[in-house]
Amino acid sequence: GQNIDQPTEMTATEGAIVQINCTYQTSGFNGLFWYQQHAGEAPTFLSYNVLDGLEEKGRFSSFLSRSKGYSYLLLKELQMKDSASYLCAPEGYSGGYQKVTFGTGTKLQVIP
Amino acid sequence: DAGVIQSPRHEVTEMGQEVTLRCKPISGHDYLFWYRQTMMRGLELLIYFNNNVPIDDSGMPEDRFSAKMPNASFSTLKIQPSEPRDSAVYFCASSLILGDEGIGNTIYFGEGSWLTVV
Repeated sequence: GQNIDQPTEMTATEGAIVQINCTYQTSGFNGLFWYQQHAGEAPTFLSYNVLDGLEEKGRFSSFLSRSKGYSYLLLKELQMKDSASYLCAPEGYSGGYQKVTFGTGTKLQVIP
Repeated sequence: DAGVIQSPRHEVTEMGQEVTLRCKPISGHDYLFWYRQTMMRGLELLIYFNNNVPIDDSGMPEDRFSAKMPNASFSTLKIQPSEPRDSAVYFCASSLILGDEGIGNTIYFGEGSWLTVV
């Protein structure tokens, strides 16, 4: 089965750093995606982690601990355009097929 | 390259009517997903296909919902009869399996079909 937990909402100040946590329990776990979704738009890919550790990509970094069922997304030098929902999505693999399940998302508001 | 294309973008219908949502995946992709998004439940996986074959429909809420994929470039999600609680954004998405058993293949979403049932 799938069980994903992330905060519902967060607020942070422009220029600051924010960390969005996600815990999960996923059958046949392979790796974990983070997606960004602006209001009224489709989700778009941010990152994918399969190995433990931190993956850095510009202002965004994503961390994974497979043994703890834990991930976080780190956003640095926040900009107003970073106001969006961030979706944690663990990937399971069962019977030869990929299955990605999304959390309810964390709505981030960046304030001046 | 064109992304995932969905139609209609917006639909308002009366309770009891049939609703058909359409999707054209990215050319060459072999997975197709239908998701539903609401404020209360977030993004839920309804059903997904691999090479046009339904793999897992355990997320389909009830018999009023059905999905088909007659060929690699087209899929439909049908609701009959529709109810107000079906009001949501319905996303179609696709991905391509590459490499080691398809691990970590990015899912690309369409713009969504915004459904309102009154």
